[in-house]
Amino acid sequence: SQTIHQWPATLVQPVGSPLSLECTVEGTSNPNLYWYRQAAGRGLQLLFYSVGIGQISSEVPQNLSASRPQDRQFILSSKKLLLSDSGFYLCACRGTRQGKANQPQHFGDGTRLSIL
Amino acid sequence: GQSLEQPSEVTAVEGAIVQINCTYQTSGFYGLSWYQQHDGGAPTFLSYNGLDGLEETGRFSSFLSRSDSYGYLLLQELQMKDSASYFCAVRDDKLIFGTGTRLQVFP
Repeated sequence: SQTIHQWPATLVQPVGSPLSLECTVEGTSNPNLYWYRQAAGRGLQLLFYSVGIGQISSEVPQNLSASRPQDRQFILSSKKLLLSDSGFYLCACRGTRQGKANQPQHFGDGTRLSIL
Repeated sequence: GQSLEQPSEVTAVEGAIVQINCTYQTSGFYGLSWYQQHDGGAPTFLSYNGLDGLEETGRFSSFLSRSDSYGYLLLQELQMKDSASYFCAVRDDKLIFGTGTRLQVFP
């Protein structure tokens, strides 16, 4: 079964500082990987998704970027954080096991980011 | 564009049955999923409907009607621990989530 590692669990950063959140996946190969953000009491907003190494699709234009340097590694970055970047960041994975197109999407435990 | 609509909040008592509806408008559709999220936690997968009809998993069931662009999550024999937010999500190549329904179960 898939295991999704996200760290850190919580992070407090000043406005204007850079950001790097890492997500790694075990138990699957060539997964689809996703970054979501959730504001307090709100739904999940899809930020980026990747169907393979070096392939990134951006859903929402903003000061965030994503990279996938390895098959099971997905990184969310920013050069300069804004106050509005505060939120709960979740990495998700969907395995692409052959013949199982309807694999469910699973989430990591998330990083709670506060910008001061 | 893509949109999913769910009620914002539902309340019920222990032992009751609750149905959370979801209507969607999306450009692509490969199925409807349901997720549960407790306060402070990450969403966890509950069920998936790729075809019309009812899927049952223990106390939880999920239904889909593709012709009506409609689905629901049915929770039976409610327990206090079922208090959480429930999200429907439509899958094409990515998962698009509804705004969530907050369920509060009272004793």
